[in-house]
Amino acid sequence: AQTVTQSQPEMSVQEAETVTLSCTYDTSESNYYLFWYKQPPSRQMILVIRQEAYKQQNATENRFSVNFQKAAKSFSLKISDSQLGDTAMYFCAFRLLNAGGTSYGKLTFGQGTILTVHP
Amino acid sequence: GAVVSQHPSWVICKSGTSVKIECRSLDFQATTMFWYRQFPKQSLMLMATSNEGSKATYEQGVEKDKFLINHASLTLSTLTVTSAHPEDSSFYICSARLGGSYNEQFFGPGTRLTVL
Repeated sequence: AQTVTQSQPEMSVQEAETVTLSCTYDTSESNYYLFWYKQPPSRQMILVIRQEAYKQQNATENRFSVNFQKAAKSFSLKISDSQLGDTAMYFCAFRLLNAGGTSYGKLTFGQGTILTVHP
Repeated sequence: GAVVSQHPSWVICKSGTSVKIECRSLDFQATTMFWYRQFPKQSLMLMATSNEGSKATYEQGVEKDKFLINHASLTLSTLTVTSAHPEDSSFYICSARLGGSYNEQFFGPGTRLTVL
């Protein structure tokens, strides 16, 4: 079974600064996806960024980028130029790529990190 | 991105009654839908996975007779909490996905259930 661990329950950052959220995962599979989701106070889940495990290049989406270390099973999210609207709970998630067993297609979420951006 | 709606957005009911929550994919056909439960400041816990026209697959520890899931069409799945009790009070989130090796999973806005 796959597990995802987020060791930072809460983080805070000043507006316009950079913050990094940590995530580690455990799997014996080699083909999978990793995600970061954002859940603002509205509680609507929003996909922030996605990384395919077979790609060595780290994914980026505007101010959001990841540091994907496959051997270390680490997948951190960096938010640059933090904005007040980035205040939310962030979840790291894992999903197997290939069909097989009952794990296919299921997202496994980490515990979440509450990020607060201060003005 | 695609839109998933949930209805109602919140519901209050008396203990012992049943509550139905609807999940609809508005602009795409979802071969697979997922139901999650979330307590305050905690992660999403997958309750069950449903494929259109098939019986739902429940996660370990989730009572299938209590949480009835029906995925009658490619755009609609329902979760019925039967004989609800205060401990069933939670935030329920549905998610819908197209088939294939990778297709993005879209989330509904959630339903807050309070059982008195």
